[in-house]
Amino acid sequence: SYVLTQPPSVSVAPGQTASVTCGGTNIGSKSVHWYQQRPGQAPVVVVYDDTVRPSGIPERFSGSNSGNTATLTISRVAAGDEADYYCQVWDRNSEDWVFGGGTKLTVL
Amino acid sequence: QVQLKEAGAGLVKPSETLSLTCTVSGYSISSGYYWGWLRQAPGKGLEWIGSIYHSGITYSSPSLRSRVTISVDSSKNQFSLSLSSVTAADTAVYFCARDQGAMRGTDPFDMWGQGTLVTVSS
Repeated sequence: SYVLTQPPSVSVAPGQTASVTCGGTNIGSKSVHWYQQRPGQAPVVVVYDDTVRPSGIPERFSGSNSGNTATLTISRVAAGDEADYYCQVWDRNSEDWVFGGGTKLTVL
Repeated sequence: QVQLKEAGAGLVKPSETLSLTCTVSGYSISSGYYWGWLRQAPGKGLEWIGSIYHSGITYSSPSLRSRVTISVDSSKNQFSLSLSSVTAADTAVYFCARDQGAMRGTDPFDMWGQGTLVTVSS
């Protein structure tokens, strides 16, 4: 089955840029979705189909995807961005939605 | 706006069947989209369980397929999950969500319920 690998944690100072990576074999050929999940809440889509930002999501959130790594970039990080972030893809071979293990973003 | 809400037993005994229902408001299930179930074990990541179309077509995770039944009641604008032969490993917060990208992958689960905790214990 397809595996997505995320770093368990990322720390960044307020106002700086955070990058959350999602590794997978030839992930650049797949559409990657990113979710933000605050404690005790349901996940919220922040980027889908690699680079598309849903309405209501700040422009500070952006995504990229190439080769074996997809990246969620959060610029001008604020305390409210502290959350867990998950990447997701559809694996056509196994017909399965696959999630990364999640990355906890800490704002220092 | 579209809202989803999960309901069902919060405590299930080992080897029994977990049953949950998701009620959708603000959108008619019969209008389209797939509707899915996902879960999150305490302190763990997200796991997709399966999804259903209003016509009853389903698709589910290979790892859970043998124990999963998903059904839909369009007249009530609800869809349901049954998970059989549960063990402690099935203890999780269960979410229902709108599955925009069913089997295509280009779109995410864009609307989610708040989630409901199901504990498997005797």
